[in-house]
Amino acid sequence: DAKTTQPPSMDCAEGRAANLPCNHSTISGNEYVYWYRQIHSQGPQYIIHGLKNNETNEMASLIITEDRKSSTLILPHATLRDTAVYYCIVRVVGSGGSNYKLTFGKGTLLTVNP
Amino acid sequence: KAGVTQTPRYLIKTRGQQVTLSCSPISGHRSVSWYQQTPGQGLQFLFEYFSETQRNKGNFPGRFSGRQFSNSRSEMNVSTLELGDSALYLCASSSGLVSYEQYFGPGTRLTVT
Repeated sequence: DAKTTQPPSMDCAEGRAANLPCNHSTISGNEYVYWYRQIHSQGPQYIIHGLKNNETNEMASLIITEDRKSSTLILPHATLRDTAVYYCIVRVVGSGGSNYKLTFGKGTLLTVNP
Repeated sequence: KAGVTQTPRYLIKTRGQQVTLSCSPISGHRSVSWYQQTPGQGLQFLFEYFSETQRNKGNFPGRFSGRQFSNSRSEMNVSTLELGDSALYLCASSSGLVSYEQYFGPGTRLTVT
């Protein structure tokens, strides 16, 4: 799986948009970009994924650059409950009954301040 | 739909003992993966099961083993516990085949003394 690079920490004011960047310059054509987050001492929570088009769901938006070498997760109106470690992961989604492992890096600690 | 459940939530064991952790995936999910999380190493993949077969294995010693039952429930076992095995053990399930999302349970916090 391609490696990802994320800033170790970011701050955001409550109610503002949080933009979390991720570099994945060695991503290959069949690798998806996934975002998970982990609130302290809980299991990671799936947020969103994409291949090359921008994606949006009820939690966040994912913007992937045209060359796919980087992406940005956007939380449109951050709340205190969004304080967590955010992980950007790239992986192949294969066939044949295997999900393939998720390789977690160190992620970005997002702190939402009142 | 109930989420992924893991039992027990907390466990204290002594060095040299063995431990079995249990994971019940979301109903209908056929794939279960296990991860170990420690402050020093972060989240590391242990193994993945699909339809009772181990599909992937991470770089852990043979003391770590697992299995999956016909109802998709999974167990992992750690024998001859070491202090370094103290960690949060996380289980994740997905529907299997080509699946995009893995859903994690709350984890089992294992402390080895």
